[in-house]
Amino acid sequence: GQNIDQPTEMTATEGAIVQINCTYQTSGFNGLFWYQQHAGEAPTFLSYNVLDGLEEKGRFSSFLSRSKGYSYLLLKELQMKDSASYLCAVRDIGGGGNKLTFGTGTQLKVEL
Amino acid sequence: KAGVTQTPRYLIKTRGQQVTLSCSPISGHRSVSWYQQTPGQGLQFLFEYFSETQRNKGNFPGRFSGRQFSNSRSEMNVSTLELGDSALYLCASFTGTGNYNEQFFGPGTRLTVL
Repeated sequence: GQNIDQPTEMTATEGAIVQINCTYQTSGFNGLFWYQQHAGEAPTFLSYNVLDGLEEKGRFSSFLSRSKGYSYLLLKELQMKDSASYLCAVRDIGGGGNKLTFGTGTQLKVEL
Repeated sequence: KAGVTQTPRYLIKTRGQQVTLSCSPISGHRSVSWYQQTPGQGLQFLFEYFSETQRNKGNFPGRFSGRQFSNSRSEMNVSTLELGDSALYLCASFTGTGNYNEQFFGPGTRLTVL
């Protein structure tokens, strides 16, 4: 099975940098996803890591260490619109398919 | 390219009834996954269908079932509704093959059980 932990809430200032951590324990690993979800909306894809290292995508970067069962999402130049829930999800290697196990999400509040 | 569509968007039912939700994936996508989202449990995987076959299943009771049609559209059914089934039900589509794949979510169906 999977166990995923991420902080419940974080607060940061507009223009700053914030790092949201995610740790996981899994019986099989086939990739880690980060999603953003605004209140009342569906999750939207942010990033995917399957190999160790950093993936950069504009203001968003995601890092993975498989040996440590650890990932983080880095948001730079924070904007008010970045206030949302950020979900870490691990894909199970079993079944050959696309079963994702999600963490409970980190609610990020960006303040002036 | 049209996104993932789900119908209906909102639904109110009473305990004991059954409900059917529909999801149309992005054109060309062959896999559809269903998730239940509640404030207390977060997003939980229900099942995944690929080419009309259930490929993965989560830990939900048998009251939750699904199917996929030849055009990749999928339905999920919940029978004998309970108050705890009140949730946002999300479906997600992806290509179904390849190791890297974005999973695109639909807007969800908000189910309220009274």
